[in-house]
Amino acid sequence: DAKTTQPTSMDCAEGRAANLPCNHSTISGNEYVYWYRQIHSQGPQYIIHGLKNNETNEMASLIITEDRKSSTLILPHATLRDTAVYYCIVRSRRNAGGTSYGKLTFGQGTILTVHP
Amino acid sequence: GAVVSQHPSRVICKSGTSVKIECRSLDFQATTMFWYRQFPKQSLMLMATSNEGSKATYEQGVEKDKFLINHASLTLSTLTVTSAHPEDSSFYICSARDSSGTLGNTEAFFGQGTRLTVV
Repeated sequence: DAKTTQPTSMDCAEGRAANLPCNHSTISGNEYVYWYRQIHSQGPQYIIHGLKNNETNEMASLIITEDRKSSTLILPHATLRDTAVYYCIVRSRRNAGGTSYGKLTFGQGTILTVHP
Repeated sequence: GAVVSQHPSRVICKSGTSVKIECRSLDFQATTMFWYRQFPKQSLMLMATSNEGSKATYEQGVEKDKFLINHASLTLSTLTVTSAHPEDSSFYICSARDSSGTLGNTEAFFGQGTRLTVV
């Protein structure tokens, strides 16, 4: 799976949009971009994933550049409860039926702090 | 959403004893579950892949005789830390993916984690 690079930490004011970047310059054609977050002392929580089109769900939006070498996770109206470590993970879905599918390789992530 | 439950959430044990951690998929079947470990201020590291009805697959550097994994049913995997020592103190997290198609989603879902402290 391709390696990702994220800033170590970011701050955001409550109510404002939080834009978290991720570089994945070695991504290959069959690899998806996934985002998870981990609130302190909890297990990771799935946020969103995408291949090449922008995606939106109730939690966030994912913007993937046309060359797919980078992406941005957008939390449109950050709250204090969004303070967490955000992980950008690139992974192939090719072997969706295989036993290794679902295994994730976590980097260091971005510590997002939302302040009042 | 899908729920993966871990038990216990916290455990303190004496050095030399064994501790069992359970991971259950509550509303779906999971032929495969994953066990991760996370030390303070570090990221999650995969320890092993648990396969229902067969032996677990361990990542390089993880002692299979120390971290016993049993996946006897489609909804339960257990991790037993044998002869625990203070350096085994960590946050242990499991994940599972729906293999039955019940959820219409093949992504992995995570438990809430187990904080193990060995004294």
